[in-house]
Amino acid sequence: QLQLQESGPGLVKPSETLSLTCTVSGGSITSYYWGWIRQPPGKGLEWIGSIYYTGSTYYNPSLKSRVTVSVDTSKNQFSLRLNSVTAADTAVYYCARHPSMTTVTLSYWGQGTQVTVSS
Amino acid sequence: QSALTQPRSVSGSPGQSVTISCTGTSSDVGGYDYVSWYQQQPGKAPKLMIYDVSKRPSGVPNRFSGSKSGNTASLTISGLQAEDEADYYCCSYAGNYTLVFGGGTKVTVL
Repeated sequence: QLQLQESGPGLVKPSETLSLTCTVSGGSITSYYWGWIRQPPGKGLEWIGSIYYTGSTYYNPSLKSRVTVSVDTSKNQFSLRLNSVTAADTAVYYCARHPSMTTVTLSYWGQGTQVTVSS
Repeated sequence: QSALTQPRSVSGSPGQSVTISCTGTSSDVGGYDYVSWYQQQPGKAPKLMIYDVSKRPSGVPNRFSGSKSGNTASLTISGLQAEDEADYYCCSYAGNYTLVFGGGTKVTVL
């Protein structure tokens, strides 16, 4: 059974960079797209960006200037970096798998990790 | 890229049917047959319930169904059960290799 697990600091200071990693187990990271989605407290889901295992990236236009998603196929991991964070970036961050950039079939999700932006 | 519009809440009694709408534009919902729906229980990750507008993954009860007309997609839960009480989110392909979610709908079983 495919499993995704987010990891990273739970507390980030304003203006600094948020860095998270998603480790994929029970299957290979190849041949799929891998995405990051976040959910601010009490609010809805927001797609941040996705990456194909070859390294091609796709970003939410509203976050594009601050986001970098990368992949390490040797470790079966992909990562998120969000720079210049503010309190508005406080959220639960999820990683998920989808079969293509057009079919929005997010069939596997990590459990999510809470990130708080605060000094 | 604006969030898709969903009602904040819907409710129904056990056994009844409820329908959640998800309204977008011709650039997202109306332009592609790539709409999915997710159920989210409190404190849990979202779970895929419907994909490609109306397809159900294995294991999802057949009381969940999806449809689309123009710029509006819909999720219908027939024979509502207590365990269906949750938040539901729609998601659509929005062109230019981007995805957009709806604001979410809270389903309450009376």
